[in-house]
Amino acid sequence: EDQVTQSPEALRLQEGESSSLNCSYTVSGLRGLFWYRQDPGKGPEFLFTLYSAGEEKEKERLKATLTKKESFLHITAPKPEDSATYLCAVPHLNDYKLSFGAGTTVTVRA
Amino acid sequence: DADVTQTPRNRITKTGKRIMLECSQTKGHDRMYWYRQDPGLGLRLIYYSFDVKDINKGEISDGYSVSRQAQAKFSLSLESAIPNQTALYFCATSDRGTSGRALSTDTQYFGPGTRLTVL
Repeated sequence: EDQVTQSPEALRLQEGESSSLNCSYTVSGLRGLFWYRQDPGKGPEFLFTLYSAGEEKEKERLKATLTKKESFLHITAPKPEDSATYLCAVPHLNDYKLSFGAGTTVTVRA
Repeated sequence: DADVTQTPRNRITKTGKRIMLECSQTKGHDRMYWYRQDPGLGLRLIYYSFDVKDINKGEISDGYSVSRQAQAKFSLSLESAIPNQTALYFCATSDRGTSGRALSTDTQYFGPGTRLTVL
């Protein structure tokens, strides 16, 4: 069964303190990996899709990387507005369903 | 205006009541999904539909039913609500494989959610 595990569950950062979030997965035949950002009381907002090991994507202070077993979301010099829950998701091999991790809640203090 | 809208945004109901949550989208996508989100469990798929005539069960469909009234509308019903159906419910949409790859990994776009409480 496909599984997606995110760590840590929660991360508290000082403004400007860079860090990384982890998403590890056990899927047969990875077809890609999605990162989403979710603010309290709102729906997940799409950030990135990574398709193959070695691929990297960047958006402002966020950079996502992918290996054969896991993905990292690096937050460089975070600001309070980067506070959110970050979700990763992996598509199933033979259909269009996604398996989501439980998320990492990031809090950035000014 | 939001591309994916959900109504109501909040609902409190009692055990045994029938509830309908509605989702509309203006993105022109063929595929629509219903998820529920519980603390610590992540998003879980309830039902999905690839077009008006194609509806499929997800991983937790028991106690739920859906209706795809049109390409842009997908409703989720709880026939007889129970307290463990208290959760955040999200609708999502996706296009049919815009990545150009042999096996598509179409991006899903989410609505703002409905917070449902069953007493």
